[in-house]
Amino acid sequence: ILNVEQSPQSLHVQEGDSTNFTCSFPSSNFYALHWYRWETAKSPEALFVMTLNGDEKKKGRISATLNTKEGYSYLYIKGSQPEDSATYLCAFSFGNEKLTFGTGTRLTIIP
Amino acid sequence: NAGVTQTPKFQVLKTGQSMTLQCAQDMNHNSMYWYRQDPGMGLRLIYYSASEGTTDKGEVPNGYNVSRLNKREFSLRLESAAPSQTSVYFCASRPGPRIYEQYFGPGTRLTVT
Repeated sequence: ILNVEQSPQSLHVQEGDSTNFTCSFPSSNFYALHWYRWETAKSPEALFVMTLNGDEKKKGRISATLNTKEGYSYLYIKGSQPEDSATYLCAFSFGNEKLTFGTGTRLTIIP
Repeated sequence: NAGVTQTPKFQVLKTGQSMTLQCAQDMNHNSMYWYRQDPGMGLRLIYYSASEGTTDKGEVPNGYNVSRLNKREFSLRLESAAPSQTSVYFCASRPGPRIYEQYFGPGTRLTVT
């Protein structure tokens, strides 16, 4: 059983502040790392899929980095807004059909 | 495009009853998946289908069966529901394996009493 761990479990951030959180995964047999954003009462939506060590992806104020050698990825949110409140999931792939998901980081932006 | 649709949205079953959760996608995706979401746990894969006509077990397949009826539709069947199957069920699809992201349906909230 492989473990994908996310930290912290939850986070409260003041509007306008920047924040980041971590996804840790097995560094052996790595193929891809996914990030999803999951708003309450909705379904998860893909943010990024990263495959190469050193990958950096950006979408608006959200960005992510990948270190496959040490087995971690960071998600950054710059200038947090209330609409950023959501649970952020990461998921690990060996390269086959299966994704293994972490339990997520629940982010709450305080106006 | 409707994306990934699931029916029903909510369902209450008594222990021992059976039911089928329906999932359909209109994006011409090859791969489809069924997950369950329980409090404090990540999304866990129940079954998946890499292409029309194939299905495989995921992490938690016991108590479930699936059918990939055609490229669009992937159904999940509970033959004899148990309280441990109370969960939120998500269907997802993606164009193919490996690097592609998954697209999720809105979920079905199932309660087994």
